[in-house]
Amino acid sequence: GDSVTQMEGPVTLSEEAFLTINCTYTATGYPSLFWYVQYPGEGLQLLLKATKADDKGSNKGFEATYRKETTSFHLEKGSVQVSDSAVYFCALSAYNQGGKLIFGQGTELSVKP
Amino acid sequence: SQTIHQWPATLVQPVGSPLSLECTVEGTSNPNLYWYRQAAGRGLQLLFYSVGIGQISSEVPQNLSASRPQDRQFILSSKKLLLSDSGFYLCAWRGAGSTSNQPQHFGDGTRLSIL
Repeated sequence: GDSVTQMEGPVTLSEEAFLTINCTYTATGYPSLFWYVQYPGEGLQLLLKATKADDKGSNKGFEATYRKETTSFHLEKGSVQVSDSAVYFCALSAYNQGGKLIFGQGTELSVKP
Repeated sequence: SQTIHQWPATLVQPVGSPLSLECTVEGTSNPNLYWYRQAAGRGLQLLFYSVGIGQISSEVPQNLSASRPQDRQFILSSKKLLLSDSGFYLCAWRGAGSTSNQPQHFGDGTRLSIL
């Protein structure tokens, strides 16, 4: 079945460092891909999305490119801030699945001043 | 604009007691609605989803049930809670009939502790 795999956390970075969180997926057909962010004690917020191959989603300095050839959707940010500390979830929505999301296990990011 | 509300925000219940968590959505009609559970330090598990009033699909066998008595109301229930029901429960909505490229939007969650 469809699945999403994220890199293990926690990831600890210094402020202004470059961030990459790896995400790969397995799916039949052409899924849509999403990154969500969860701040401590809160629900999930949509960070960005991409709906077809080579699409780049971007928001708040974060970017991710839908790579069909490598089945990947890695999250990147050029310069992280302390306020970016959160758990990041990669997810896919498969065609004809009623909008159900399949999530990765989440990657915790901690940014130190 | 659309908003989603969940309550209560936190709940402490004894083992064997009943449960009712409520989720409502405003600003949209006939949304798809979802209940997830997030165990501590783990990812999200889809429990139930609904595409319309009275239509509930269960994703995993468990001690919980869901109901949708009104178009924008989704309720998660249990008759007798187990210790393993502890976790963070999240409700989400998505536009009716939308294609797979539309995201889900999440509430702030309910943290449930079973003693």
